[in-house]
Amino acid sequence: GAGVSQSPSNKVTEKGKDVELRCDPISGHTALYWYRQSLGQGLEFLIYFQGNSAPDKSGLPSDRFSAERTGGSVSTLTIQRTQQEDSAVYLCASSLVEGDGYTFGSGTRLTVV
Amino acid sequence: DQQVKQNSPSLSVQEGRISILNCDYTNSMFDYFLWYKKYPAEGPTFLISISSIKDKNEDGRFTVFLNKSAKHLSLHIVPSQPGDSAVYFCAASVGNAGNMLTFGGGTRLMVKP
Repeated sequence: GAGVSQSPSNKVTEKGKDVELRCDPISGHTALYWYRQSLGQGLEFLIYFQGNSAPDKSGLPSDRFSAERTGGSVSTLTIQRTQQEDSAVYLCASSLVEGDGYTFGSGTRLTVV
Repeated sequence: DQQVKQNSPSLSVQEGRISILNCDYTNSMFDYFLWYKKYPAEGPTFLISISSIKDKNEDGRFTVFLNKSAKHLSLHIVPSQPGDSAVYFCAASVGNAGNMLTFGGGTRLMVKP
């Protein structure tokens, strides 16, 4: 597709369950980023991929969070044993190596009940 | 420690008047700055950017001003339109080659007809 695609758009899960969020970047974009926006907060950096490698994982809030990217394309963000404080909109973005900022997807709204 | 701050969480402006959104940063290594606009249930979209070698960049109704000595930038929207009502995020990076963006907390702009 022409834009960054994220799925699912909404996810409601029970506390303690694992969730997997998917991001399909723009074809040819080598850099891929995950951010999250909690209610009333700004955009919090989670992790960044250049190709398949993740040079910067500094933003992952705990070891329950992990992400991978295969084939330099699709990325999945996995949250294990979800907690209520994980509720947020998870945004994925991609960019060319040379670019004018990112192109964001519409996000996945995660609600942990 | 927030490296990019938007101290006004909200701003209300009358249609046709000027909207001025402000952003401050602390990291002197930042040399590329961007503004993003976000509507509800959508991902942020790129609006305008400025490199640290400039102090002003204009694109239609949108102008970004950069004051490096004060570590301050602002976005001016003239004239403001009801469709401009959204959350505006300021972001900064070291270089613009697909590098990680650090975002401010956002300012909600409401343009009243």
